Amino acid sequence: QVQLVQSGAEVKKPGASVKVSCKASGYTFTSYDVNWVRQATGQGLEWMGWMNTKTGNTNYVEKFQGRVTMTRDTSMNTAYLELTSLRSDDTAIYYCARRYSSGWYDVFDSWGQGTQVTVSS
Amino acid sequence: SYVLTQPPSVSVAPGQTASISCGGNNIGGKSVHWYQQRPGQAPVLVIYDDHDRPSGIPERFSGSNSGNTATLTISGVEAGDEADYFCHVSDLSTHHQIFGGGTRLTVL
Repeated sequence: QVQLVQSGAEVKKPGASVKVSCKASGYTFTSYDVNWVRQATGQGLEWMGWMNTKTGNTNYVEKFQGRVTMTRDTSMNTAYLELTSLRSDDTAIYYCARRYSSGWYDVFDSWGQGTQVTVSS
Repeated sequence: SYVLTQPPSVSVAPGQTASISCGGNNIGGKSVHWYQQRPGQAPVLVIYDDHDRPSGIPERFSGSNSGNTATLTISGVEAGDEADYFCHVSDLSTHHQIFGGGTRLTVL
């Protein structure tokens, strides 16, 4: 079955960087793009951007431009999210999600379990 | 930018029907998806393309979309349906994604 397994919780100081991994199994990794979504405590879902797992091409939300990098290792079927210059308001659960594109719609049909990133001095 | 508006909360007694709305300008012309997020868990897709159910999702979950409002309907609500529900649409030209603010469903 399709599974996305993310790395464990992280605690970082302001100004530091964090790299979260998302390992896929149960399907052909390069056949689906990976998106990243974050959720602050008690808040809604905030989409951060996506990566074409076949080509490595990326598209980031303007808000995160310059601070976010999405990469992948196709030999490991793993996608990565790196966020730099961390601030306290980056404290959130970060989710990877597989995007299915039909041509008429995009939908997130499988999600990772989430990675808690806490930014605190 | 495109905005999706959901009520913050909906309450319903067990066995009754819950309706959760998602408003957006001419949302009827878009494909709407719904996710259920139970406390402490990742979101799970429950309705895609307005009204289709992924395998394993009970028939009690249904969806509709017309005009400026999409609706998720849960019939015969159970205690286990208590969760946050998010609607989602996408801009296919850019693959940018938009989520509603979420609705907390409380089972009384």
